[in-house]
Amino acid sequence: GEDVEQSLFLSVREGDSSVINCTYTDSSSTYLYWYKQEPGAGLQLLTYIFSNMDMKQDQRLTVLLNKKDKHLSLRIADTQTGDSAIYFCAEKVTGGFKTIFGAGTRLFVKA
Amino acid sequence: DAGVTQSPTHLIKTRGQQVTLRCSPKSGHDTVSWYQQALGQGPQFIFQYYEEEERQRGNFPDRFSGHQFPNYSSELNVNALLLGDSALYLCASSLGGTGEGYTFGSGTRLTVV
Repeated sequence: GEDVEQSLFLSVREGDSSVINCTYTDSSSTYLYWYKQEPGAGLQLLTYIFSNMDMKQDQRLTVLLNKKDKHLSLRIADTQTGDSAIYFCAEKVTGGFKTIFGAGTRLFVKA
Repeated sequence: DAGVTQSPTHLIKTRGQQVTLRCSPKSGHDTVSWYQQALGQGPQFIFQYYEEEERQRGNFPDRFSGHQFPNYSSELNVNALLLGDSALYLCASSLGGTGEGYTFGSGTRLTVV
């Protein structure tokens, strides 16, 4: 089956690191993504990782992929109040064209 | 360089009516996907258009239909509106067969009363 699961909420203090976790069920996923959604806006692609990679780093963002456990994580270093938003994990399934999204993790950053 | 443009931004319709939402993809993109996002949930895939054809459809009834034009812009049509169709409708553009992710528009907020 095709499903992406995320925890619903995460609260961190400004300056700390945030780690948002995601599990997916389709072992044949080719690409995995993290998107950010701010209030009243569409989704913004933050980063993506191809399924043959274990890690990808992009400035303050680090993505870790554990294919054996079908687990994806997004680490945000030095979290700022402007990082407060909903973060969506998503997977592009092999053999199709659609991208499937999780329900989103709402990140609260306390000053 | 304009991103994805959607119109209108907000819409209020009555049950049973029909609605058309419009999307212009990011310059250079040729593929348009439509998603429905209910409050507090993740986007749900409606369908994807490429080369003016619907090439994959999600679990949505036939009341939802679409079109893609030669300039890659797209429309989403919903007939016989139900209260449950109230949601944010998101258009996402991408380039053909690449997996490098979507560019999303800001969405159309549809309220059915």
